[in-house]
Amino acid sequence: QVQLQESGPGLVKPSETLSLTCTVSGGSIRSDYWSWIRQPAGKGLEWIGRISSSENIYYNPSLKSRVTMSVDTSKNQFFLKLASLTAADTAVYYCARGPFSGTQYRLDPWGQGTLVTVSS
Amino acid sequence: QSALTQPASVSGSLGQSITISCTGTNNDVGGYNYVSWYQQHPGKTPKLMIYEVSNRPSGVSNRFSGSKSGNTASLTISGLQAEDEGDYYCCSYTSVSTIVIFGGGTKLTAL
Repeated sequence: QVQLQESGPGLVKPSETLSLTCTVSGGSIRSDYWSWIRQPAGKGLEWIGRISSSENIYYNPSLKSRVTMSVDTSKNQFFLKLASLTAADTAVYYCARGPFSGTQYRLDPWGQGTLVTVSS
Repeated sequence: QSALTQPASVSGSLGQSITISCTGTNNDVGGYNYVSWYQQHPGKTPKLMIYEVSNRPSGVSNRFSGSKSGNTASLTISGLQAEDEGDYYCCSYTSVSTIVIFGGGTKLTAL
């Protein structure tokens, strides 16, 4: 079955750019949409954006000015860049398949998440 | 855009049924059958429990069911078990602003 794994630095300095990678295994990234979601400690889930293999991209307007998503189909990976970081960006970052998987509206499966701390 | 509205906490006795509500607007919950529910245990990844209002993924217990009436979706857990404790998030497609919107989450306690 499809599995996702996030990777990237655990600590990033304020004002710098976060770069995260999500590697998809057990299936092709060419199908479906792929999302990034984050969750600050003790808080709820925030959807960041989604991308397809044809680079059909949609960002959460609240983050749009700082977010860039991309995809590498040859490596079955998709990527997140978040610029101008502040402490408020400290969170666990998840990648997930969806929100549309085929014709179904669902976010599933999810990666295990990676904790990103913004601190000098 | 504001998050979907969920109660902060819900509790129930073991074996009892509980319901968690998720209230939105005509632009999200009320306008589309694209509501999903996720269970999250402390320190763990969210798990899909219900999608498209009432569909259960394979492997999810039939004690979990979903429904919708107007702008409010509901997740019902019957025969509450200790392992059901955790946080539950609803999620909906929205035609306004972001295309994915989450609820604020509900902490379920099994007494």
